[in-house]
Amino acid sequence: KAGVTQTPRYLIKTRGQQVTLSCSPISGHRSVSWYQQTPGQGLQFLFEYFSETQRNKGNFPGRFSGRQFSNSRSEMNVSTLELGDSALYLCASRSWEGRGYTFGSGTRLTVV
Amino acid sequence: KNEVEQSPQNLTAQEGEFITINCSYSVGISALHWLQQHPGGGIVSLFMLSSGKKKHGRLIATINIQEKHSSLHITASHPRDSAVYICAVMDSNYQLIWGAGTKLIIKP
Repeated sequence: KAGVTQTPRYLIKTRGQQVTLSCSPISGHRSVSWYQQTPGQGLQFLFEYFSETQRNKGNFPGRFSGRQFSNSRSEMNVSTLELGDSALYLCASRSWEGRGYTFGSGTRLTVV
Repeated sequence: KNEVEQSPQNLTAQEGEFITINCSYSVGISALHWLQQHPGGGIVSLFMLSSGKKKHGRLIATINIQEKHSSLHITASHPRDSAVYICAVMDSNYQLIWGAGTKLIIKP
């Protein structure tokens, strides 16, 4: 079966712009989590959605938001981009809480 | 102090060597994950453990719940095993807490 698909793979944006990243989970997986990976901070949890509801949120400013659609696809939005938002954004899906994660390949965002 | 500590941070070894990466944690967990990240960013989930030991090919993962410690072993290491290995624990809220990763380089 197809894996977790993240689009786009690479993105370059200018400070102050906004960006939307997309994640399509494995078919049947209802949970989607988002993570930010930077060289300085490592992997950090952004938020998790389950059946269109945000279940948990990490310690990120309100500029970071997300949503999940009825088909379990999820989008992450970052508004008013800052240079420090340059990172690899990873999405992971799982079928339910007790199961392991499957990760997407990530979207590498560069803010200039 | 980080809730999940990995050691070593960096490891360089010769092809064929037996590799051990350690992970200690200080929180209550429901499961522990070992993940592999190759250059370019893609992450692959290697194991999810809640007790005992799991084996997949040349990879072995063990966990000691009482000691709050897990190890990832690679037997007969190969240059293609070169990657960052990340330990992550799933807490009681089913959220992942990440270790800083261990960068492994296997030289031919």
